[in-house]
Amino acid sequence: NAGVTQTPKFQVLKTGQSMTLQCAQDMNHNSMYWYRQDPGMGLRLIYYSASEGTTDKGEVPNGYNVSRLNKREFSLRLESAAPSQTSVYFCASSEESGDQPQHFGDGTRLSIL
Amino acid sequence: KNEVEQSPQNLTAQEGEFITINCSYSVGISALHWLQQHPGGGIVSLFMLSSGKKKHGRLIATINIQEKHSSLHITASHPRDSAVYICAVSRSNYQLIWGAGTKLIIKP
Repeated sequence: NAGVTQTPKFQVLKTGQSMTLQCAQDMNHNSMYWYRQDPGMGLRLIYYSASEGTTDKGEVPNGYNVSRLNKREFSLRLESAAPSQTSVYFCASSEESGDQPQHFGDGTRLSIL
Repeated sequence: KNEVEQSPQNLTAQEGEFITINCSYSVGISALHWLQQHPGGGIVSLFMLSSGKKKHGRLIATINIQEKHSSLHITASHPRDSAVYICAVSRSNYQLIWGAGTKLIIKP
């Protein structure tokens, strides 16, 4: 059972480079989320997609864009990476809204030099 | 003041001890979540509750809506329970409000 799959697991970028983090879930969930986790801080929501075809900003959306490609896939793009975006990024999914358990991917460790 | 606060931030205990981790929140919620983050980084949902008490194996979660407080208990703790335990609350939208986590170390 794959659950939520994130790629890549690790990435090092130079300031100004762009990249896309990929996320796919095989649980037929409607809602998907992107979080970042910084040392000593709780998870912070970047963007979420309540259902296929919709996306909304979370707590810290600046510097990011997202695409809900289909029901399974939700990608996160950094157009011009900055050192402040060095973090661990988690994708999650749930059947519906926040009153459902969220299932997490293993995370992507991203370093911006 | 954070809307979701956990205590303690760090907890070290001996194998077999009864563990309690607390979560207090200051906003109206529709549900409260407890999650576990393993040392390797993976995050697993343990409980979602809106009232009363839930039990799964050696883990017990309780919530008191009036006092805006929840506890996560671990009975007969084991080194494999070592992890960060995270409390999060959901409101009437898709966003969860996350606590900073409690780092638990169980020594053999």
